[in-house]
Amino acid sequence: GAGVSQSPSNKVTEKGKDVELRCDPISGHTALYWYRQSLGQGLEFLIYFQGNSAPDKSGLPSDRFSAERTGGSVSTLTIQRTQQEDSAVYLCASSQAQNQPQHFGDGTRLSIL
Amino acid sequence: DAKTTQPNSMESNEEEPVHLPCNHSTISGTDYIHWYRQLPSQGPEYVIHGLTSNVNNRMASLAIAEDRKSSTLILHRATLRDAAVYYCILRDRPLGNFGNEKLTFGTGTRLTIIP
Repeated sequence: GAGVSQSPSNKVTEKGKDVELRCDPISGHTALYWYRQSLGQGLEFLIYFQGNSAPDKSGLPSDRFSAERTGGSVSTLTIQRTQQEDSAVYLCASSQAQNQPQHFGDGTRLSIL
Repeated sequence: DAKTTQPNSMESNEEEPVHLPCNHSTISGTDYIHWYRQLPSQGPEYVIHGLTSNVNNRMASLAIAEDRKSSTLILHRATLRDAAVYYCILRDRPLGNFGNEKLTFGTGTRLTIIP
């Protein structure tokens, strides 16, 4: 489809393992955002990409979290040595230009056992 | 971003209009008013946004008070598919190219549609 695609849709892993979450933004969208939504909570900003650069990483909760974007398109969010508090839905959004709506994927539901 | 205040929950009957209020008394002159909604098990979905004038699109209407300290999202004829959490968000006008336009979501209004 033409929307933002995230994979996997669900991920269950053991504490201490590393995970990679993928986001395919809408073609041509230069801005890309990662957010996190814990159970019953609002969305928490993690990181912003403009092209392949990440001018704002201020929302990443610890150095176990990192993200990259290649070719101005696909982005990967990596969480190392996962902890139970990392359990949440991780959402990706893309936007075409300034003051344009953000289009969200349906997220990856991450569960840490 | 300036703060918004919304009721925690609202109910409406199917096929009737719904008016979702939002207060933003500290809004600045350059803040746009954005509305998103989140259906169960989905990511947020853009609904509408405006600055000063009332706005209409295929999904909804946005009525903005003359002093801009409040706004109302209007769903003209609610259906069961409109049951969602609705978020009112203020976004400052971009200062320049490639500015971070991260969205700050509050707790929103949970809208229940009664068949």
